[in-house]
Amino acid sequence: GAVVSQHPSWVICKSGTSVKIECRSLDFQATTMFWYRQFPKQSLMLMATSNEGSKATYEQGVEKDKFLINHASLTLSTLTVTSAHPEDSSFYICSAREPGTNWANVLTFGAGSRLTVL
Amino acid sequence: QQPVQSPQAVILREGEDAVINCSSSKALYSVHWYRQKHGEAPVFLMILLKGGEQKGHEKISASFNEKKQQSSLYLTASQLSYSGTYFCVVRWYIFGTGTRLKVLA
Repeated sequence: GAVVSQHPSWVICKSGTSVKIECRSLDFQATTMFWYRQFPKQSLMLMATSNEGSKATYEQGVEKDKFLINHASLTLSTLTVTSAHPEDSSFYICSAREPGTNWANVLTFGAGSRLTVL
Repeated sequence: QQPVQSPQAVILREGEDAVINCSSSKALYSVHWYRQKHGEAPVFLMILLKGGEQKGHEKISASFNEKKQQSSLYLTASQLSYSGTYFCVVRWYIFGTGTRLKVLA
């Protein structure tokens, strides 16, 4: 089946630095990828929809300049947390669906990246 | 827009049954159900596409009432492995509020 690889699985950084998280579709081309953030004991909240070759669509309340999303190829989307602060510490998960599938199809998730900002 | 699930949390003994409800404020055309273990990605359980449809997966089944904009997940004869957080997902990418399920031996 479809596989999505997410890297790194965990990262610790100092406040003020930037962190990049990669999301790759390994055996299919993903024109659309989704980035979620999940705080402890809470649901997955959609941050943005990443579209290959165009700008990402951000959800209300998500800062575009802080969470930079790049979807430069059909198999790679990246999320960069710029000038990270302790409140950005969270579990970030990406997902993708295979192109050509309809709205009923299932999302394939990466394993997630746990970010801790000191 | 986020679907609301109930209950928020439930504790069961092995072999007991549970029902998790998902209610949307907007029209539904499909509902997905996922289970997430702590620190892991969500795992797909099943999808319901038609109103009134019921589907089953081992001892886990679900129903979908599009008129009421609701879906329910039924877990029968629960096993320890059923522990986790259950999410309904609508419009195939919007997650519900979640229900934490703990099965005790």
